[in-house]
Amino acid sequence: GENVEQHPSTLSVQEGDSAVIKCTYSDSASNYFPWYKQELGKRPQLIIDIRSNVGEKKDQRIAVTLNKTAKHFSLHITETQPEDSAVYFCAASMGPNDMRFGAGTRLTVKP
Amino acid sequence: DAGVTQSPTHLIKTRGQQVTLRCSPKSGHDTVSWYQQALGQGPQFIFQYYEEEERQRGNFPDRFSGHQFPNYSSELNVNALLLGDSALYLCASRQSGSSFEQYFGPGTRLTVT
Repeated sequence: GENVEQHPSTLSVQEGDSAVIKCTYSDSASNYFPWYKQELGKRPQLIIDIRSNVGEKKDQRIAVTLNKTAKHFSLHITETQPEDSAVYFCAASMGPNDMRFGAGTRLTVKP
Repeated sequence: DAGVTQSPTHLIKTRGQQVTLRCSPKSGHDTVSWYQQALGQGPQFIFQYYEEEERQRGNFPDRFSGHQFPNYSSELNVNALLLGDSALYLCASRQSGSSFEQYFGPGTRLTVT
């Protein structure tokens, strides 16, 4: 089955800096890669997703890139703000089914 | 428009007991997936229900079972509870045939003592 690895496990940046989180996946059949943000005690919330027919997608300060050949994808957050502090999870699946998550990255943005 | 809801919020059970968790999907959604999230870990896929049938299953034992009702709501049942079953149980819903986006409920925190 699919295996998703996520790095780093913790990330601390200064407000205004950029943050990058990287994930690799094992199943070349995976074609859907969402990113979720989970604040303490709250539900995971979808912040951006990408399908395998697209190499990059951007939404304001957030962007995701996908390298199908290398089987890795990354989340980029620019101009970080304290409210970006949370745990971020990447995931991979074939369509919407059997979604496998990474172990998470705890992002801390220092004011 | 109500999002995904789950009940109860918290639950404490004793080892060996059985538990039932409930999920109501977001309005317009017909597919429900269940996940187990241990402390400090990512969600682990348990199974997915569509048209009242289990369509996909992750690496969980038969002690974990589920059901989907005609109104698309769903239940997760866990029998013979183990201490290791203590976790946050998340339900996520989506609309079949549409985008792949799925939306999570707030979860049920299960503690097994």
